[in-house]
Amino acid sequence: DGGITQSPKYLFRKEGQNVTLSCEQNLNHDAMYWYRQDPGQGLRLIYYSQIVNDFQKGDIAEGYSVSREKKESFPLTVTSAQKNPTAFYLCATEIAGGPDEQFFGPGTRLTVL
Amino acid sequence: AQKVTQAQTEISVVEKEDVTLDCVYETRDTTYYLFWYKQPPSGELVFLIRRNSFDEQNEISGRYSWNFQKSTSSFNFTITASQVVDSAVYFCALSEAKTSYDKVIFGPGTSLSVIP
Repeated sequence: DGGITQSPKYLFRKEGQNVTLSCEQNLNHDAMYWYRQDPGQGLRLIYYSQIVNDFQKGDIAEGYSVSREKKESFPLTVTSAQKNPTAFYLCATEIAGGPDEQFFGPGTRLTVL
Repeated sequence: AQKVTQAQTEISVVEKEDVTLDCVYETRDTTYYLFWYKQPPSGELVFLIRRNSFDEQNEISGRYSWNFQKSTSSFNFTITASQVVDSAVYFCALSEAKTSYDKVIFGPGTSLSVIP
């Protein structure tokens, strides 16, 4: 099946720990995005990547890091520097040359204990 | 600056009622794109529609219809004869597409509950 997978679905982290959220796609899309969703708020962009080995900061990149070593994969690391990491994280892809519809994964809910 | 406002935080309707979700946007650009996405309880956003700023024709897709009015900077979404499966959070979004990437600004969302 074509689509986007995110794992894990639920993630619990102790304060001070780094955690990595996985995002894999087989849609052959060039662009990939990470968004953060908090209750009652829209999605806010963390990082985006338009091509392998290149990525750019979004609006709320502080405390996060990413890599794009393969077209299919765009993992997000939530570092201990992120002061309020508890949120719902969504990965999305888009065919380059948009703006076009974005395709979203099922999300990862991160809770800091 | 870009901004998307969805003034209705939560709406509840009884099944088979019609419901309109409001979206008001702000942009200085003349070329832009508007979107609607649906987020069911499973969490995954689903694309519903894209409209560019040069196309003000209203669109109908089954029970869904969209009313784009540049004069009032609005892009409202109407569900006719609502069903329980329509219960979800709906996001309106705006992209100016003049930056180096397709930055999308999402509104805060409207949570729709359709009661059987």
